[in-house]
Amino acid sequence: QVPLVQSGAEVKRPGSSVKVSCRTSGGTFGSYSIAWVRQVPGQGFEWMGRINPILDLVNDAPKFQRRVTLTADESSGTAYMELRFVRPEDTGVYFCARDRGVGSAPDSWGQGTLVTVSS
Amino acid sequence: DIQMTQSPSSLSASVGDSVTITCRASQGVSDYLAWFHQKPGKAPQSLIYAASTLHSGVPSRFSGSGSGTEFTLTIISLQPEDFATYYCQHYYTYPYTFGQGTRLEI
Repeated sequence: QVPLVQSGAEVKRPGSSVKVSCRTSGGTFGSYSIAWVRQVPGQGFEWMGRINPILDLVNDAPKFQRRVTLTADESSGTAYMELRFVRPEDTGVYFCARDRGVGSAPDSWGQGTLVTVSS
Repeated sequence: DIQMTQSPSSLSASVGDSVTITCRASQGVSDYLAWFHQKPGKAPQSLIYAASTLHSGVPSRFSGSGSGTEFTLTIISLQPEDFATYYCQHYYTYPYTFGQGTRLEI
């Protein structure tokens, strides 16, 4: 059973928003937090932030603070990452990953969602 | 931000060989260091956390060591499925950052 399943690929115009979902198997987060990491060509991996669904606590990287919103729906065990005002350099693969919160590393990853920003 | 630097950037080896990859942090990260690998077009797979602890299900041919600013990942008796790109990541302080990757080729 795959722990995390992400939504499908997206194509967006510059200046618009994209929202990627990450559903947990069994529909429950348990004691896990969900982190978001992107892989952008030429830039490697970038950690975007993390949400603790139970505490509704979000930690996000300064680079993304003004453009990213992380949310979670406990009833469905689904986490969401919304990126606003997208630009071509946001094109890449966005991953969700499961961890135990602050001071922990991911143990499982979603399959990734390709986001393409193009006019 | 803490900079993570891996060496080498690429490595050629054969099945059965042993290899070591190094990851250096621009400042101390204690043992808040993880390793994972990735195959083309696939999601990362976590291998090690806390610098030296294997995630559940990871073969014992993988091992990690180090603390502070210098870390190593060693793979003994390479198997065909081990040929991938390896990354280190610190999770000591925000923002967490990643090494640029080490491509392990046959």
